[in-house]
This record gives sequence, structure tokens and C-alpha cells, in this order.
Amino acid sequence: DSGVTQTPKHLITATGQRVTLRCSPRSGDLSVYWYQQSLDQGLQFLIQYYNGEERAKGNILERFSAQQFPDLHSELNLSSLELGDSALYFCASSVGTNEKLFFGSGTQLSVL
Amino acid sequence: SQQGEEDPQALSIQEGENATMNCSYKTSINNLQWYRQNSGRGLVHLILIRSNEREKHSGRLRVTLDTSKKSSSLLITASRAADTASYFCATGVNDMRFGAGTRLTVKP
Repeated sequence: DSGVTQTPKHLITATGQRVTLRCSPRSGDLSVYWYQQSLDQGLQFLIQYYNGEERAKGNILERFSAQQFPDLHSELNLSSLELGDSALYFCASSVGTNEKLFFGSGTQLSVL
Repeated sequence: SQQGEEDPQALSIQEGENATMNCSYKTSINNLQWYRQNSGRGLVHLILIRSNEREKHSGRLRVTLDTSKKSSSLLITASRAADTASYFCATGVNDMRFGAGTRLTVKP
């Protein structure tokens, strides 16, 4: 158990819908990272937060947004969903930046 | 875009053999990390090597780093069937970026 909690584990929705993925980092970790992994693909970096502030942005679509709350949990919002958004979404946390990451077990999103 | 690129994309070996995976990256780094992913599961951190280190060991894992060539290698010695997984390198400062990974299959 990495100590990083992601909910829900599975999500099935329809095109055009909006969903929210949630991540609770390990106790004491200030950084949260979001990644997207499509079938048999590597991890695409989406966005990183440190202590509530956005620190780095990757290949995140404009339809996607995220935030980190004062209690350090984070949410990834995906809107106007398309079939191609179907993927495994991972959250990871670390104490600071440029350090060892601890990954959650992921949210499997299926857009039908 | 990806920061690290692993090579080979896939590797199949017999149990007991050594497995070597390579990673090339593009920009200057503070450290380079290797992770392992069992099918569909979250990634697990294996080892971190800092930019001023050339080699690091952890159990059956040996990692080397050549900053002049912007490359790293991960060696798994005496492989086991349980080592079957995908292996990724990652670099970055605020943005930890991963390569596409090497899929390792260890046959019993």
C-alpha cells in the first residue's frame, strides 16, 4: 500500500459528460502529480501541484482541469468527455519536488 | 512530450538471466528514477540516482548514469518470473516525465 488513495477505482460514463477524479496523497506529502496512461502506453504527465499551487503543466487538454485543496487532496476534472479520454488516470505524491513518487492504484475511466 | 525514452521496448529472457534496460533523456537533470509497473497497477519506485552519482545498487538492481551521454541503464541480475513487468525511467524537476517503458518478460 503506497498510502496514496484514488477514488473511484472504476468510472464508466458517456461522451460529453463530466467526471471528477479524486486523490488523497500520503500523509506529509505536499506534491501531487496527475498522469494519464492509455492502453499499452507510457505515462503522460498532466499537471503537478505543490502545497496548493500549480507548479508544472504537461499535456493537459483545455477540457481538463485540476486543483489541490488546503487539506492537500487533489481533484482532476474531465469535461466534454470523448472516447479517446478512456484511460487509466494515476495520481502520485511526494514530499517535495524532484523526489521519489508514490503512486495510487489509479482510476480506470471508460467513456462509451 | 516524454523526457526519457527506454530501450528496448520489449525484452524476453529466461529466469536466471540478467536483464538490461536503457534510458535516454534530453535535458539536464537533478536525478533520474526508475519505476516498475505490473500490468494495470500503480507504479512502484525502484531506485533514484542523483546527477553526481555514476552507479547505484539496490539488491539485484544496478543503475548507472552517464550525464555526458544523457543516458542511464538498469540491470536486473538473476531475474525471476516475478520480475515480469514494465520498467520506466523518469526525470524532471516539477514535472516528472516518464518514458514509454520497457516491457520485460521473464520466462520460468
